[in-house]
Amino acid sequence: EPEVTQTPSHQVTQMGQEVILRCVPISNHLYFYWYRQILGQKVEFLVSFYNNEISEKSEIFDDQFSVERPDGSNFTLKIRSTKLEDSAMYFCASREAGGLYGYTFGSGTRLTVV
Amino acid sequence: GENVEQHPSTLSVQEGDSAVIKCTYSDSASNYFPWYKQELGKRPQLIIDIRSNVGEKKDQRIAVTLNKTAKHFSLHITETQPEDSAVYFCAACWANDYKLSFGAGTTVTVRA
Repeated sequence: EPEVTQTPSHQVTQMGQEVILRCVPISNHLYFYWYRQILGQKVEFLVSFYNNEISEKSEIFDDQFSVERPDGSNFTLKIRSTKLEDSAMYFCASREAGGLYGYTFGSGTRLTVV
Repeated sequence: GENVEQHPSTLSVQEGDSAVIKCTYSDSASNYFPWYKQELGKRPQLIIDIRSNVGEKKDQRIAVTLNKTAKHFSLHITETQPEDSAVYFCAACWANDYKLSFGAGTTVTVRA
């Protein structure tokens, strides 16, 4: 079964540093998403991406966040200057056109900001 | 935006009994309702979903019901097994943008 792959699985960074989280969506999927889950809390929508542009973003997705699909296969989430409260599990997800079968989530990147 | 409420937050059942988790949503435009199972430290995995043109859907021991009028949907797990122990999340969205709004989760523990 095709998978959404995320790297790294765990990243520790100093407050104020930039981090890039990487995702390889399923190859024939056209819609891409980032979600985050703070420990013990619910999964929250960050941003959706289609046709090389952001479709929608939440209030969490402020100017410190950006997304990019640099090479047609990778889908990245960049946090420019990390804060302690950015510590969370970040999930990438993708879906095919039509979305009949819903999402496939990646295995997540645990970001720890110290 | 959409607001999804989920109850209960924890649920402990004896193996073989049924488990029921209930969710409500606020946006009448939502028309896609997936349920995810999340084991500790793992990704959410889709276990069943329902669209607003259907009132009930079943897949082996799992069933989901939807009441559009009341904006309620529920997950039913019958004949629970220890491997059903996990956190279950309901979600809702409009199936044009698939921007999922999740409930707060239910930690299900199946006692052997």
